[in-house]
Amino acid sequence: EAQVTQNPRYLITVTGKKLTVTCSQNMNHEYMSWYRQDPGLGLRQIYYSMNVEVTDKGDVPEGYKVSRKEKRNFPLILESPSPNQTSLYFCASSHRGRGTEAFFGQGTRLTVV
Amino acid sequence: AQSVTQLDSQVPVFEEAPVELRCNYSSSVSVYLFWYVQYPNQGLQLLLKYLSGSTLVKGINGFEAEFNKSQTSFHLRKPSVHISDTAEYFCAVSEQNYGQNFVFGPGTRLSVLP
Repeated sequence: EAQVTQNPRYLITVTGKKLTVTCSQNMNHEYMSWYRQDPGLGLRQIYYSMNVEVTDKGDVPEGYKVSRKEKRNFPLILESPSPNQTSLYFCASSHRGRGTEAFFGQGTRLTVV
Repeated sequence: AQSVTQLDSQVPVFEEAPVELRCNYSSSVSVYLFWYVQYPNQGLQLLLKYLSGSTLVKGINGFEAEFNKSQTSFHLRKPSVHISDTAEYFCAVSEQNYGQNFVFGPGTRLSVLP
């Protein structure tokens, strides 16, 4: 089954404790991205990757890191989480090309206390 | 840069009634237009998209949307809603020349009442 898998689905952590949210897709998509969803703001892009070893900042990259060492995986790293990073996070992937559809993971609900 | 406005944050409607969810966008370049739906505790899935051609686009689950270039709008409609349509709906745009980066609206929560 074609899917984007995120782990964990739920995470509660303390301020400053490094964490990684994993994302994996099985559709051989070149393009992957991370979004955060906050009430009244919709989804905002954090980082994206056009292909292996190619990443770039989205609209809200501060406090986040990413890496793309393999085509299927695109982990999101919070080196020192803060309470303002409490949010619902989505990973998405798509083929390169104009107008292509994005496929989304189930989401990771992160709470930083 | 692009921006997307969804004028209604919440839309309650009775079952079997028609519904329209409004979306307006602003962009200095040509864009593609999308509607995504998010059911409770799930990720987003594509409802429909407009790339070119006929301005009336049909999607899954009986939804359709009409692109109006002069009004920079892409409103979503369904003639008769079901309880199962209760979800959050997001309008999004992507640049035609660049492709994959989406700008999403804030979302409209559709609640279908029995």
